[in-house]
Amino acid sequence: QVQLVQSGAEVKKPGASVKVSCKASANTFTRYYIHWVRQTPGQGLEWMGIINPRDGSTTYAQKFQGRVTMTTDTSTSTVYMEIGTLRFDDTAVYYCARDLEICGSDGCYTENWFDFWGQGTPVTVSS
Amino acid sequence: QSVLTQPPSVSGAPGQRVTISCTGSSSNIGAGYDVQWYQQLPGTAPKLLIYTNNNRPSGVPDRFSGSKSGTSASLAIAGLQAEDEAVYFCQSFDSSLSGAVFGGGTRVTVL
Repeated sequence: QVQLVQSGAEVKKPGASVKVSCKASANTFTRYYIHWVRQTPGQGLEWMGIINPRDGSTTYAQKFQGRVTMTTDTSTSTVYMEIGTLRFDDTAVYYCARDLEICGSDGCYTENWFDFWGQGTPVTVSS
Repeated sequence: QSVLTQPPSVSGAPGQRVTISCTGSSSNIGAGYDVQWYQQLPGTAPKLLIYTNNNRPSGVPDRFSGSKSGTSASLAIAGLQAEDEAVYFCQSFDSSLSGAVFGGGTRVTVL
């Protein structure tokens, strides 16, 4: 059973925005957090942020705050990542990846690692 | 530049043992955060290879092993095989950045 399925490739102009989707299996949606990570030729793998798909709470990497928005649609078990004001250096493959939520007497937390990744969505920013 | 430092490439003959280093700092590996390793084959998404420093997910051969000491970690591949040709990334958590951090990746070539 495929756990995370992402939307297809996108080509955008500088200044535009792009919204990438990541549809999760039911088990993934109920037990995991979802991270977004991008991969560029020059910067390698770069963590962008995390969303709790059940309540939509988010934490963004400082670099992307104000320009990235992560949202969730519980009716379709899908999370979204939107980047605004695209620049040429936003050209990358964008991945969603899941992170197990652990709950105990002290509360809930994530393991901060990724046991399964989506297939990736290439985004090209070109004029 | 990546927060964690890896060598760009390593190579070895079939059957040999190779190791990949991953160097961090006092805000990530040195702070006690776990290290993970991912394998990325060409054109595919990264795949979890080692988690919490030295644990293998189901299905990962025991030729792969991980270790951690101080501000560094290592991935060892014993009995190198042609199918091990890939890029390997280390990953941890950084308290200063409040998020995951990665190494730049190491390309393993089987001679």
